[in-house]
Amino acid sequence: GESVGLHLPTLSVQEGDNSIINCAYSNSASDYFIWYKQESGKGPQFIIDIRSNMDKRQGQRVTVLLNKTVKHLSLQIAATQPGDSAVYFCAENSGYSTLTFGKGTMLLVSP
Amino acid sequence: ETGVTQTPRHLVMGMTNKKSLKCEQHLGHNAMYWYKQSAKKPLELMFVYNFKEQTENNSVPSRFSPECPNSSHLFLHLHTLQPEDSALYLCASSQAAEKLFFGSGTQLSVL
Repeated sequence: GESVGLHLPTLSVQEGDNSIINCAYSNSASDYFIWYKQESGKGPQFIIDIRSNMDKRQGQRVTVLLNKTVKHLSLQIAATQPGDSAVYFCAENSGYSTLTFGKGTMLLVSP
Repeated sequence: ETGVTQTPRHLVMGMTNKKSLKCEQHLGHNAMYWYKQSAKKPLELMFVYNFKEQTENNSVPSRFSPECPNSSHLFLHLHTLQPEDSALYLCASSQAAEKLFFGSGTQLSVL
């Protein structure tokens, strides 16, 4: 069936480095994608979203890239900080009533 | 604060107990959701309510019973649960079926 998945379960970076978290999706009908951050003991928090008519969108220190040709989504975090340590989820909406979530990638930032 | 409040934060119950989880959203959204989050699994959608009407039941066992008295409140009534039901239960709300706002969740342990 259709699924959203992540390439790397854990990503370790040094403070100040740029981080890239990847996500593959298989539903070509998906037209909306979103990234969430989940810190320990908290619910997922919205980071950034993108529609399928765009290939790049920037926020504060974060950039989402969408490659519809290979069905790939990535989240780039600039100048990663210890406070960025969390689990990051991608999710897609293929036109149905709800989002489909991936398993998540743990980002660990060392001082 | 995301505008979605869940209580209690932690709950321990026996398999014969009856308990309820509560969710309240202060965002004026018209849709509310229950998700289950287990270790190393993607977020699993359980129920969706739009304008107080249940629009999706994702094959959830009857020992989980949702209630949505109005568009700001959502309950999940629990009875005769199994140990495998232990998980983090997340409530979310949205205005459209895209950007969901999550509460901090209820960490449930079934003994």
